[in-house]
Amino acid sequence: KQEVTQIPAALSVPEGENLVLNCSFTDSAIYNLQWFRQDPGKGLTSLLLIQSSQREQTSGRLNASLDKSSGRSTLYIAASQPGDSATYLCAVWVKAAGNKLTFGGGTRVLVKP
Amino acid sequence: NAGVTQTPKFQVLKTGQSMTLQCAQDMNHEYMSWYRQDPGMGLRLIHYSVGAGITDQGEVPNGYNVSRSTTEDFPLRLLSAAPSQTSVYFCASSYSIGNGYEQYFGPGTRLTVT
Repeated sequence: KQEVTQIPAALSVPEGENLVLNCSFTDSAIYNLQWFRQDPGKGLTSLLLIQSSQREQTSGRLNASLDKSSGRSTLYIAASQPGDSATYLCAVWVKAAGNKLTFGGGTRVLVKP
Repeated sequence: NAGVTQTPKFQVLKTGQSMTLQCAQDMNHEYMSWYRQDPGMGLRLIHYSVGAGITDQGEVPNGYNVSRSTTEDFPLRLLSAAPSQTSVYFCASSYSIGNGYEQYFGPGTRLTVT
């Protein structure tokens, strides 16, 4: 069974510092990996999708990398701002389980002004 | 595009009552799914559908029914509400990309069962 882990569960950084968020998964036979942002009391917003054949994706200050062989993805957020404070979740589409998305527990980020 | 819409935003039910959570999408996505989100438990898949007329169970299907008569709509029915079903419910729709999908979420329905 695919397991997705995000460590740490919470992170606090001063404004301007780069954020590094980690996601690990146990089964490398994934289709795609997707990063989401969730603000308190809100739904999930898709940030980046990395297909299994790709190594990274970039959007503005966000960059996500994927290393299937080691079962890891990293989300980098450059020059963090207080508006980046949110919970970030990664999720993988699992081949073995049929077309289902397995989520990590998320990392709650606080960017202090 | 309105994206994925859910109604109602909030709902309070008494134990034993039934209700339907509505979900609609206007992106012509084939794949739709329902999740519940609970503190400390993360997001758990309840039911999903890969197209009209096709549904399947997820991780926590007990106490919930779904049907998919159109591409646009995927309602979730609570048959007899229980306090354990107090949660935030998210509907999502997905489109195929590569060998997998990219998923978009609705704003959620916050349900309390007393």
